[in-house]
Amino acid sequence: GAGVSQSPSNKVTEKGKDVELRCDPISGHTALYWYRQSLGQGLEFLIYFQGNSAPDKSGLPSDRFSAERTGGSVSTLTIQRTQQEDSAVYLCASSLVGSRETQYFGPGTRLLVL
Amino acid sequence: AQTVTQSQPEMSVQEAETVTLSCTYDTSESDYYLFWYKQPPSRQMILVIRQEAYKQQNATENRFSVNFQKAAKSFSLKISDSQLGDAAMYFCAHGAGSQGNLIFGKGTKLSVKP
Repeated sequence: GAGVSQSPSNKVTEKGKDVELRCDPISGHTALYWYRQSLGQGLEFLIYFQGNSAPDKSGLPSDRFSAERTGGSVSTLTIQRTQQEDSAVYLCASSLVGSRETQYFGPGTRLLVL
Repeated sequence: AQTVTQSQPEMSVQEAETVTLSCTYDTSESDYYLFWYKQPPSRQMILVIRQEAYKQQNATENRFSVNFQKAAKSFSLKISDSQLGDAAMYFCAHGAGSQGNLIFGKGTKLSVKP
């Protein structure tokens, strides 16, 4: 079946602009995760959605970052007033139920803030 | 808090030879899971292997196997009969039943020489 998809694949923006990154999880997966990968680094957790529960936002680095998940499926990560340090690859993953299940990743969105 | 350490930033192996990538972790959880993910230049994170902490038997997937030493909190990945397509970044990750997100190490870049 189809895997996790993300769009856009690449995004170039100017400092101060807002950006929206989209994630479409595997059909039937109730858990969805956003991670950030800065150049040459491991993955940094941002936010986790599980079904209809309140999301775990503990990894969001500032209030400029927000995410929503509509209808338990597609998720959008929004970065307001982008800064150069926001430049990174943003990876989305989904899993069948939650934390005990394997997470499957999308191809990521590479964000470059000029 | 959980931590994952990969002490080898880079490794190199000759084609058809065997290589072992190291990973150590620290956790206070009793119910946890360990993963190795592969990230080729395409940046798609691909699951290599998964190990449940309660299982004593080491997980294997074809040419990939792990050496899980629970008391030592060590989780190394062995790649046998290395192939050119194995060249990638390899990330070790820890997940727990009490949390949603994975904790990743900083990765090991594996090169395969023909």
